[in-house]
Amino acid sequence: DQQVKQNSPSLSVQEGRISILNCDYTNSMFDYFLWYKKYPAEGPTFLISISSIKDKNEDGRFTVFLNKSAKHLSLHIVPSQPGDSAVYFCAARRIRNTPLVFGKGTRLSVIA
Amino acid sequence: DAMVIQNPRYQVTQFGKPVTLSCSQTLNHNVMYWYQQKSSQAPKLLFHYYDKDFNNEADTPDNFQSRRPNTSFCFLDIRSPGLGDAAMYLCATSREAGGSQETQYFGPGTRLLVL
Repeated sequence: DQQVKQNSPSLSVQEGRISILNCDYTNSMFDYFLWYKKYPAEGPTFLISISSIKDKNEDGRFTVFLNKSAKHLSLHIVPSQPGDSAVYFCAARRIRNTPLVFGKGTRLSVIA
Repeated sequence: DAMVIQNPRYQVTQFGKPVTLSCSQTLNHNVMYWYQQKSSQAPKLLFHYYDKDFNNEADTPDNFQSRRPNTSFCFLDIRSPGLGDAAMYLCATSREAGGSQETQYFGPGTRLLVL
């Protein structure tokens, strides 16, 4: 029973363009959502998060959008850079201090 | 730099031979987690410690055990590794009960190979 779904295993984008990574969830009790980025041979690193009381959070080139009615969130990267090439994991949490539930990840390739 | 350290980065063991993976942190976080991640899969939480309180996930096999002798260290013991236990094992930490912006900090992982 996959509560957090990233339906696109991979995505290729040209340098300078927008990358949009999508994530769907099934548990309406999730109240906090995070994106992690993972390079090969490294652990995931925190990228950006959003609380369920918001619908948008922006940090530099990275923006996360949350659509609670659709149980959908997305990560936008503008402009995309080759260094953004990595696997991106969407994660969600039910209540404070409960473990995160991760999606399977989407591999982003930014082509120069 | 404050960080989460995992040793070794690569571990080879034999079928049925006990193995221990270690994790240490300099962040002074109260919560430590162990995840198992297989290829193209989401990281799967095995268990976590909230301070000294151990929390086991319902579907974590009995073959997997954990110890946390102090705040800084946490160990994953696999008593009788099977071929299906070959995976990347990720350790993570998070602060004690904070605000809603709780995040986890991951180590680089230990890749386990079972022969």
